[in-house]
Amino acid sequence: EAGVTQFPSHSVIEKGQTVTLRCDPISGHDNLYWYRRVMGKEIKFLLHFVKESKQDESGMPNNRFLAERTGGTYSTLKVQPAELEDSGVYFCASSQTWETSPLHFGNGTRLTVT
Amino acid sequence: AQSVTQPDIHITVSEGASLELRCNYSYGATPYLFWYVQSPGQGLQLLLKYFSGDTLVQGIKGFEAEFKRSQSSFNLRKPSVHWSDAAEYFCAVGASGGYQKVTFGIGTKLQVIP
Repeated sequence: EAGVTQFPSHSVIEKGQTVTLRCDPISGHDNLYWYRRVMGKEIKFLLHFVKESKQDESGMPNNRFLAERTGGTYSTLKVQPAELEDSGVYFCASSQTWETSPLHFGNGTRLTVT
Repeated sequence: AQSVTQPDIHITVSEGASLELRCNYSYGATPYLFWYVQSPGQGLQLLLKYFSGDTLVQGIKGFEAEFKRSQSSFNLRKPSVHWSDAAEYFCAVGASGGYQKVTFGIGTKLQVIP
């Protein structure tokens, strides 16, 4: 089966610009998660979708971040306007329905804000 | 709130030597515990997981981990390290409750020398 796909793999933008990250989960996975790792820090939870609904967005840093999952398939994470502290690696993960199903991670998008 | 401590940021071992990566967690109930590995340019790959039952868990690539409730630990071990094991290793704890909002440790970078 195809894994979790993230696009782009790298993005370099200037402060104040907008960036949109995309995640395609494994087909049939209702759960989709976004995580972020700022350099030298832990990987932090951002939010969780169940199908197209936001189940938990408690980890979103502020209202400059907007995540969507229209139709319950792929998801986008938009940062607008980007700030320097938004730099990091953004990971997407997906999982099946039951509680103990493991997370499958994508390769991440490395975002650099200059 | 759940948390994970990985006390060793960097570890260097010789190829063929044994390996133990330490992980301590904090969680109020019986935790779901995971070890993930990230090779350069790759996403996070699940090595093994513990949900319940046997406290010694076998994973992929010859890794194992032991859950010790009394010590709140979930250390990762491998009897003989291969050069291809050089990567970053993340311990993580998940909350029960229908989905996996996983909390990660800061990661341990493993260097393998000939």
